[in-house]
Amino acid sequence: QKEVEQNSGPLSVPEGAIASLNCTYSDRGSQSFFWYRQYSGKSPELIMFIYSNGDKEDGRFTAQLNKASQYVSLLIRDSQPSDSATYLCAVNIAAGGTSYGKLTFGQGTILTVHP
Amino acid sequence: DAGVTQSPTHLIKTRGQQVTLRCSPISGHKSVSWYQQVLGQGPQFIFQYYEKEERGRGNFPDRFSARQFPNYSSELNVNALLLGDSALYLCASSLGTGGWRGNQPQHFGDGTRLSIL
Repeated sequence: QKEVEQNSGPLSVPEGAIASLNCTYSDRGSQSFFWYRQYSGKSPELIMFIYSNGDKEDGRFTAQLNKASQYVSLLIRDSQPSDSATYLCAVNIAAGGTSYGKLTFGQGTILTVHP
Repeated sequence: DAGVTQSPTHLIKTRGQQVTLRCSPISGHKSVSWYQQVLGQGPQFIFQYYEKEERGRGNFPDRFSARQFPNYSSELNVNALLLGDSALYLCASSLGTGGWRGNQPQHFGDGTRLSIL
């Protein structure tokens, strides 16, 4: 089992729709969860982070965390063609609390928003 | 404010050579992490430095080394380059204030694209 897994994609949604991106993680002790957006040929850009169970909203983005199910998701409302990118889920895998600077990434989900 | 800056942007080397990549963190950030990203995959953790000390090391061979300077900038060195080292090398900085919440959000630089011939 991979430490961080994302829905394989690619995901294609029409403009204005809700895009739902999902991620599961293996280490129940994980504390910090991040979503990055990466445009082709560019570096990852932080768009959301969440530490506590529940929802966190920022503009059109909502991150959802369920630690009991070891599941984190990202919802993008009113999707725009400019949202087309690879979305990376990253988790701080708590290896004895000593590697808090290490992010473990999923393989990414490619999102395409078509007009 | 300036973000994370990395140099050089692109680099072409041949097998067996050595390379040094440089990173300047966001002002006020004391933690620097290095990642390797190959095409089609998520970044893989190489090193983390906080307050000039190595705090984490990923599953990379000893050919990879790094250090952090008093001004919190960092260098990643790779010796005896192999074709498989061709990748985008990313530097990320964060506040890194310690404890489990020491994993403050990490912000990435534009990366150094390393090609090995």
